[in-house]
Amino acid sequence: LAKTTQPISMDSYEGQEVNITCSHNNIATNDYITWYQQFPSQGPRFIIQGYKTKVTNEVASLFIPADRKSSTLSLPRVSLSDTAVYYCLVGEPGGGNKLTFGTGTQLKVEL
Amino acid sequence: DSGVTQTPKHLITATGQRVTLRCSPRSGDLSVYWYQQSLDQGLQFLIQYYNGEERAKGNILERFSAQQFPDLHSELNLSSLELGDSALYFCASGPGPFAEQYFGPGTRLTVT
Repeated sequence: LAKTTQPISMDSYEGQEVNITCSHNNIATNDYITWYQQFPSQGPRFIIQGYKTKVTNEVASLFIPADRKSSTLSLPRVSLSDTAVYYCLVGEPGGGNKLTFGTGTQLKVEL
Repeated sequence: DSGVTQTPKHLITATGQRVTLRCSPRSGDLSVYWYQQSLDQGLQFLIQYYNGEERAKGNILERFSAQQFPDLHSELNLSSLELGDSALYFCASGPGPFAEQYFGPGTRLTVT
């Protein structure tokens, strides 16, 4: 069961790049890493998923080093609307494994 | 709008009672997940179904049960409710056993 650890909170300013790191030291071979964004009283929203190296989509990039014991979500040029909680999820394709959400990182973006 | 619907939106009930929460996944999604989110526990994975079969089990209490029906909608049954069961309950769906998940708006359960 891969336990994840994230910073509790981060602060940034509009237009800055934000990097949020998730530690998952005992990640299993078949585990994928997925990041979600959550606003208050709403369900989490899928951001990005990866297995190794780098994945990029229209909203974020995900960097995973070779040992896969951590991952970094990179948000380019954040805005006030990016203020939210960000969760790192580690789990195995095919199920049969508990889906463990991290503690979540509260990102606050200011002007 | 994720395409996942949950009913009811709010539910207030008394201790000892039983309630049923309902989830309709996005069209075409075969996986359904249930999560509990309370202030002091964060987002806790309860259970996953894939195409009608239980696929993974998390920290789901014995008082709780779930199922996924042939039309792929799912129900979460909570019985012998306790004050500590008050929480937001989210359903999510996805195209595969561990593809990305799309969360519904949640059901806020208050046990008094």
